[in-house]
Amino acid sequence: EAGVAQSPRYKIIEKRQSVAFWCNPISGHATLYWYQQILGQGPKLLIQFQNNGVVDDSQLPKDRFSAERLKGVDSTLKIQPAKLEDSAVYLCASSRDWASGNTIYFGEGSWLTVV
Amino acid sequence: SQQGEEDPQALSIQEGENATMNCSYKTSINNLQWYRQNSGRGLVHLILIRSNEREKHSGRLRVTLDTSKKSSSLLITASRAADTASYFCATAPPGGGNKLTFGTGTQLKVEL
Repeated sequence: EAGVAQSPRYKIIEKRQSVAFWCNPISGHATLYWYQQILGQGPKLLIQFQNNGVVDDSQLPKDRFSAERLKGVDSTLKIQPAKLEDSAVYLCASSRDWASGNTIYFGEGSWLTVV
Repeated sequence: SQQGEEDPQALSIQEGENATMNCSYKTSINNLQWYRQNSGRGLVHLILIRSNEREKHSGRLRVTLDTSKKSSSLLITASRAADTASYFCATAPPGGGNKLTFGTGTQLKVEL
């Protein structure tokens, strides 16, 4: 079974520029998550999709971050404009369903450095 | 915000020894999960313990949960160099679906 795919793996941008990350979840997984992990901290949930609908985006900084999962499969996370504090690893994850206890599978992450 | 705090922040042991790391959390939970993260990689799910369970085993892993103290511990027995990684606890809220809140992590180093 193929895992969660993310791209690009690494990105360096200047502040105020924009960046987009792509994620393809495990086939058949209805729930997709984007987490932000700042160096030395645990991941923080940014947004959770169930199929193509948003379940939770309470911690997404909506003035600069946006995410979509238009066809209920792959997803894109965009940051515009980027700030220095956005430097982090952006982890995409998926699970079969959003019910509690479903194992969440993580991708390798997209490393963002904002200079 | 971080729900859990792991203790210790860093742990260094010799191969073959046992490693114990603790997690404390603040609010009620449906379940608590432990994840491993190798340097530069994604997280890997290790084990899940539900709020009505007190202990669970999986291979060399033993997890305990004390909901009255809002704490959990992860024991790795007979550690190996390959166990070197960061370990995170994550909690799922009651009725909150699969929305996990992660702790701050314990960095485990197993030396040969």
